[in-house]
Amino acid sequence: DAKTTQPNSMESNEEEPVHLPCNHSTISGTDYIHWYRQLPSQGPEYVIHGLTSNVNNRMASLAIAEDRKSSTLILHRATLRDAAVYYCILRVTGGFKTIFGAGTRLFVKA
Amino acid sequence: EAGVAQSPRYKIIEKRQSVAFWCNPISGHATLYWYQQILGQGPKLLIQFQNNGVVDDSQLPKDRFSAERLKGVDSTLKIQPAKLEDSAVYLCASSSIRDRGPDTQYFGPGTRLTVL
Repeated sequence: DAKTTQPNSMESNEEEPVHLPCNHSTISGTDYIHWYRQLPSQGPEYVIHGLTSNVNNRMASLAIAEDRKSSTLILHRATLRDAAVYYCILRVTGGFKTIFGAGTRLFVKA
Repeated sequence: EAGVAQSPRYKIIEKRQSVAFWCNPISGHATLYWYQQILGQGPKLLIQFQNNGVVDDSQLPKDRFSAERLKGVDSTLKIQPAKLEDSAVYLCASSSIRDRGPDTQYFGPGTRLTVL
C-alpha cells in the first residue's frame, strides 16, 4: 500500500497563505489523494481530494504534481481555526488499508 | 444530515477489565471503519466492514479485540481484557462510494479510553 510523507509541523501567520506538502512517490494510477484535518479533541474531517487535476473547494485547493508523486494542500488565508493536524492519504475506490501517517501539525500565529 | 455517532465519549477502566464502544454511522453508508489513535499519532485502521461483512481486520489484535456490525448498520467494538497500551481514542468512520468521490470518510467524535 502506498504511503505518504509529510513534514512534522509548519507555522503560518494569520491571513497568509499556507502550502502543506505531501510526498507519495509510490502512488499507483488508481490512487486518489485525500486530505483530512483533525482539530483538537475531534475526529478527522474531510478537506479535499483529487486524482490528477488541481482541485478547489470552499475550504482549500489541492495542487497535484504532473507525475503525481507529490501534492500540496493550499489554504489561501490561514485563520486561527485552521490550526490542526493535516493528513494526506491515498485511497483507492473500494480499497482497503487506509494508512494515516503522523500528519503535519499546523500552527497559526495571530 | 446527522453525522457519525459514538458512545460513550469517555471511559476509564482498570486493566484486565472489559469495555465496549458503540458506533452509529451515517444513514445509508455501507462501509464502516474502526480506528485506534494513540496520542501524538495518526489513526490506525483496526477493522473495516462492508455492510455487515469484514473486509479488512489485519491490524485488529484478535486475542483481545472483537467487533461486529449487526444488520449492516450499528457497530460495536469490544476489548476484553484491556491492557494499559490500549489507552487511546477509538474513532468510528463511515463512507459511501456514491458521496463526494471515492470512499470519503466521515468520522465520529471518538471515544477516549483510559486504562489504569
